[in-house]
Amino acid sequence: EAGVAQSPRYKIIEKRQSVAFWCNPISGHATLYWYQQILGQGPKLLIQFQNNGVVDDSQLPKDRFSAERLKGVDSTLKIQPAKLEDSAVYLCASSLRGAQTNEKLFFGSGTQLSVL
Amino acid sequence: GDSVTQMEGPVTLSEEAFLTINCTYTATGYPSLFWYVQYPGEGLQLLLKATKADDKGSNKGFEATYRKETTSFHLEKGSVQVSDSAVYFCALKASFGNEKLTFGTGTRLTIIP
Repeated sequence: EAGVAQSPRYKIIEKRQSVAFWCNPISGHATLYWYQQILGQGPKLLIQFQNNGVVDDSQLPKDRFSAERLKGVDSTLKIQPAKLEDSAVYLCASSLRGAQTNEKLFFGSGTQLSVL
Repeated sequence: GDSVTQMEGPVTLSEEAFLTINCTYTATGYPSLFWYVQYPGEGLQLLLKATKADDKGSNKGFEATYRKETTSFHLEKGSVQVSDSAVYFCALKASFGNEKLTFGTGTRLTIIP
């Protein structure tokens, strides 16, 4: 079974520039998550989609971050404009339904963003 | 809100040593508890889980027991190998509400031959 695909693997930009990340979840998975993992910290949930609807975006800095999952399959996360503190690994994950408490998440390898 | 506290790293052990990585949590209700592992250059993957008090999760020689009385879920392995070198994350998923996964800060483990 193919895993969660993310691209690009690495991205280096200057502050105030824009950047976009792409994620293709495991086929048939209804729930998609974007996490931000800052060096030395655990992943923090930015946004959760159930199909193409947003379930939780309470920790998404909406003045500069946006995400969409238009057809309920793949998703893009955008940062515009980027700040130095956005340097992190951005992880995409998916799960079959997302509603089950003990359901496991499948993670992609992440996109490592460096903002200079 | 929900939170997970892990022992500070990094942890360096010799091969075949006994491993314990401490994890305690704060949550309302009865969360599910997880250990995820991140090998170098790879994505996070589920190592083991437990869904109710006194449950023991186990996989690849690792074990963790859900202790509600001490709100803990410590990870243990009797004899570590070099291939166990990775970053280990304790996490919980609440039993109601949005049920999002909340992670600890991670513990980097290095096993030397």
